[in-house]
Amino acid sequence: AQSVSQHNHHVILSEAASLELGCNYSYGGTVNLFWYVQYPGQHLQLLLKYFSGDPLVKGIKGFEAEFIKSKFSFNLRKPSVQWSDTAEYFCAVNTGGFKTIFGAGTRLFVKA
Amino acid sequence: EAQVTQNPRYLITVTGKKLTVTCSQNMNHEYMSWYRQDPGLGLRQIYYSMNVEVTDKGDVPEGYKVSRKEKRNFPLILESPSPNQTSLYFCASSPTSGSWNEQFFGPGTRLTVL
Repeated sequence: AQSVSQHNHHVILSEAASLELGCNYSYGGTVNLFWYVQYPGQHLQLLLKYFSGDPLVKGIKGFEAEFIKSKFSFNLRKPSVQWSDTAEYFCAVNTGGFKTIFGAGTRLFVKA
Repeated sequence: EAQVTQNPRYLITVTGKKLTVTCSQNMNHEYMSWYRQDPGLGLRQIYYSMNVEVTDKGDVPEGYKVSRKEKRNFPLILESPSPNQTSLYFCASSPTSGSWNEQFFGPGTRLTVL
């Protein structure tokens, strides 16, 4: 069965530290990839997505992600985090059907 | 304002008492979906709808029903709730069922079944 793995369930960083959140999926065909963020008390919202073209995707608030097909990965990065980046981050994969599969999420806490 | 709304936001009920969680979107989206979020499991899809009168099961449909009689509404029905349905529920919509589309999420409904 298709699945999405997020390696870190909890991450604690200090402000200005660099961030990388891992995401791997299990599917050998064409995929559409998403990162969503859920700030405390708010809706899930899209950070960025990949469906074709340049495998390095830039999103809102300085986030980027790189699709590495050979590694089945779509890791999220940010060079310098801020306290306001404290949130839960979800990687999601759609394999071309009507279903989107989400990872378990990573809770990020940024210390001011 | 373009949005997905859910009601109620919080609900405490007892085992076996039928309930409905409403979901409505004002963006004329074709595709709508219900998810439940549980700690350590992320979001799991319950049901989805590609358009009016077209629905299908997601990964965890047992114990749930849905209907899509109008494009804007996609209610989630629990005919006989049980404690294992205690969860945070999200409704989402997207313009079409195309796999590249992002989903727009509602604020969530926190359900407790005693």
